[in-house]
Amino acid sequence: QKEVEQNSGPLSVPEGAIASLNCTYSDRGSQSFFWYRQYSGKSPELIMSIYSNGDKEDGRFTAQLNKASQYVSLLIRDSQPSDSATYLCAAPLRGGSNYQLIWGAGTKLIIKP
Amino acid sequence: EPEVTQTPSHQVTQMGQEVILRCVPISNHLYFYWYRQILGQKVEFLVSFYNNEISEKSEIFDDQFSVERPDGSNFTLKIRSTKLEDSAMYFCASSLNGARGSGIHDEQFFGPGTRLTVL
Repeated sequence: QKEVEQNSGPLSVPEGAIASLNCTYSDRGSQSFFWYRQYSGKSPELIMSIYSNGDKEDGRFTAQLNKASQYVSLLIRDSQPSDSATYLCAAPLRGGSNYQLIWGAGTKLIIKP
Repeated sequence: EPEVTQTPSHQVTQMGQEVILRCVPISNHLYFYWYRQILGQKVEFLVSFYNNEISEKSEIFDDQFSVERPDGSNFTLKIRSTKLEDSAMYFCASSLNGARGSGIHDEQFFGPGTRLTVL
């Protein structure tokens, strides 16, 4: 059974600090990883995709991928109260046409003013 | 910026009734998906659709479910005889491409969702 695991939190971070969110995956062959943000009662909103080992930066967000250790992380710099949400990690299920994304349970992030 | 749209935002139905959830994917996208999320639980894949046929479906997507692209813009999910446990948020998503070579997958963009309540 392919799995994507996340700590459910909540993770509480002071405003202006760096929030670090982690995700591990079981399928060593996975090549694509996605971070989504989900506000309560809303749909997942794509923040970052990452395909290669190393860091990928987009504004205040940095995704990090380490395929050897099978983890992917998301750093949020200069955290704002509006960043308070649940962050979902997703990766495609291998096998067949494998279009489906497998999702972690999400980490609830709370930014304290 | 192009976005996926879904209607209705909230659907209330009686157990055993048929419901149709509608989606308009991003116009130049070729791959379409339905996911659901039961309150407080993980997002779950239901089905993917490409070139007017189902590409992949999960165990959840049984004979009670069907999908259709009735015209050039809409993508629908039909539940023939709703059950109490079908109550969930249903999300439509689309991507420009699907799985490219070497396991690289295109980004999927989600619509706002339809909250289905089965009484």
